[in-house]
Amino acid sequence: GQQLNQSPQSMFIQEGEDVSMNCTSSSIFNTWLWYKQDPGEGPVLLIALYKAGELTSNGRLTAQFGITRKDSFLNISASIPSDVGIYFCAGRSNYGGSQGNLIFGKGTKLSVKP
Amino acid sequence: SQTIHQWPATLVQPVGSPLSLECTVEGTSNPNLYWYRQAAGRGLQLLFYSVGIGQISSEVPQNLSASRPQDRQFILSSKKLLLSDSGFYLCAWQSSFRSNEQFFGPGTRLTVL
Repeated sequence: GQQLNQSPQSMFIQEGEDVSMNCTSSSIFNTWLWYKQDPGEGPVLLIALYKAGELTSNGRLTAQFGITRKDSFLNISASIPSDVGIYFCAGRSNYGGSQGNLIFGKGTKLSVKP
Repeated sequence: SQTIHQWPATLVQPVGSPLSLECTVEGTSNPNLYWYRQAAGRGLQLLFYSVGIGQISSEVPQNLSASRPQDRQFILSSKKLLLSDSGFYLCAWQSSFRSNEQFFGPGTRLTVL
């Protein structure tokens, strides 16, 4: 079946540092989504990507849809304490099982030291 | 604008008791609806999804069931809870007409003792 590998699993950084995380899939995706989840809450959609090579920003966040269509990257610039949380990638393929449902990465837990 | 509600927010139930979690969506029609379970704050496991009233697809065999009695209502149930049913349950909706974006509710924290 399709798999999504998200890395790193966790990050401990100093406030003000830039953050980078990525996801790779075993198959080609036509959609990449990035979510952030605060403790005890539901994930919130940050960025949606639909084209290979697409680069999209949302404030200090920038995400890219990889050229191979098998990966995506999320960068956070100048991190602040409220960036703390778990970041999930999710992708969708029209091929394979689950009738094109979203597949989620296992998440990157971000901790920011003031 | 669209909003999604889940209740209750938290629930503590004894093993063997029944379960009913409710999810409702406002501001959209004929959404695709999803139930996910999240264990230990990491990873989302798709449990059920529905593309219309009365239509349910199950992703994994388990002790739970789902129903969609109305267009914007999705219910997760169990007749007898197990310890392993503990977790954070998330409902999500997606437009059936466009985009692949799913939007999540606030979640229900279920603890089975």
